[in-house]
Amino acid sequence: EPEVTQTPSHQVTQMGQEVILRCVPISNHLYFYWYRQILGQKVEFLVSFYNNEISEKSEIFDDQFSVERPDGSNFTLKIRSTKLEDSAMYFCASSEMKGASYGYTFGSGTRLTVV
Amino acid sequence: AQSVTQLGSHVSVSEGALVLLRCNYSSSVPPYLFWYVQYPNQGLQLLLKYTTGATLVKGINGFEAEFKKSETSFHLTKPSAHMSDAAEYFCAVSAPGGGSQGNLIFGKGTKLSVKP
Repeated sequence: EPEVTQTPSHQVTQMGQEVILRCVPISNHLYFYWYRQILGQKVEFLVSFYNNEISEKSEIFDDQFSVERPDGSNFTLKIRSTKLEDSAMYFCASSEMKGASYGYTFGSGTRLTVV
Repeated sequence: AQSVTQLGSHVSVSEGALVLLRCNYSSSVPPYLFWYVQYPNQGLQLLLKYTTGATLVKGINGFEAEFKKSETSFHLTKPSAHMSDAAEYFCAVSAPGGGSQGNLIFGKGTKLSVKP
């Protein structure tokens, strides 16, 4: 069964450093998403991406965050200058059609720890 | 605005017992409702979803959920728990249309433990 692949599974970084989280969505999917879950809290929407541009973003997704699809397969989330509160599990997802009713396929997540 | 409340961050049942994981939502429009499961070190996997039609929906691994509009609930059940059901379960809601309201709003999750 097709999978969404995320790397690395765990990343530790120092506060103020830039990090790039990588995702390989399912090949025929057109819509891409990032969600995050701070330990003990809800899974929260960050951003959706379609046709090489951001479709929607939440208030969490401020200027420190950016997304990119640098080639035909990867979808990345960059945090420019990490803060302690960015420590969370980050989930990438993709879907063939727009909207959750069509079903998202999630990756297994990247646990980001900022020290 | 939409929101989801999952009652109980941790539920423990014996193998063979009924599993009941509670989810209540709030939505200003008729919602789409979902249950996702996360096994250790794996991604979020869709268990089942309600969009329209029959209010009792069946999912994978013997799970089912019933949409009760009057109670704004979408509780997840399984008649007989299996050890392999031990995982974290997330209820989620979205609004129809696929626009900004089409994104998933998750609950905090319920960790299910199954005792032998």
